[in-house]
Amino acid sequence: QSVLTQSPSASGTPGQRVTISCSGSSSNIGDNFIYWYQQVPGMAPKLLIYRDNQRPSGVPDRFSGSKSGTSASLAIGGLRSEDEADYYCAAWDNSLSGWLFGGGTKLTVL
Amino acid sequence: QITLKESGPTLVKPTQTLMLTCTFSGFSLSTPGVGVGWIRQPPGKALEWLALIYWDDVRRYRQSLKSRLTITKDTSRNQVVLTLTNMDPVDTATYSCAHLNSFTHYDAIGRIDSYYFDQWGQGTLVTVSS
Repeated sequence: QSVLTQSPSASGTPGQRVTISCSGSSSNIGDNFIYWYQQVPGMAPKLLIYRDNQRPSGVPDRFSGSKSGTSASLAIGGLRSEDEADYYCAAWDNSLSGWLFGGGTKLTVL
Repeated sequence: QITLKESGPTLVKPTQTLMLTCTFSGFSLSTPGVGVGWIRQPPGKALEWLALIYWDDVRRYRQSLKSRLTITKDTSRNQVVLTLTNMDPVDTATYSCAHLNSFTHYDAIGRIDSYYFDQWGQGTLVTVSS
């Protein structure tokens, strides 16, 4: 089944470490790279992680990505109030010959 | 610096055809290894990829919308146009274009060029209503 599944919400307090997960299948995450985007409400998505675990220049090293099999995770360390946003995973799907986005995880900083 | 900006109607009637233009700067669609894609986001919902076009004019469409979508590029004007026919209220969304970057890697098959969205436009809200 060609979907990327994310938990709808996550939360943490300032300074904490939180992890957001993304579950897929062999036709997407299992065979292609995973990408993570941060979207502050009303703003354009911003690339956080590419090629599973690479950070574009300017993205703090508090953000890290990992992948195992058909699942991937985004970890945010030293949580800050400005990290409150929606986070999306994305991957190419071989069966669909197209891009899949996860349903998004809304991160709340308590 | 790469920038992209979407333009088009903010309101369309059901059954009409939507035409959106993405005007970009900071790159050329004639350069190998780049592309432009369209993604939409209904209010309060998730991102949904629609279509993309690569530098070599290869195009890909969301399967569920393939019969309604067309993407074209005008390299000389630095523009990519998306058309979506037979609009319905469920197509109400913010439509965004994004730059596709690429990197090369190798596996058992050989050389692979992998693309990803790295820069997005601000998006334009399109409402479908009579």
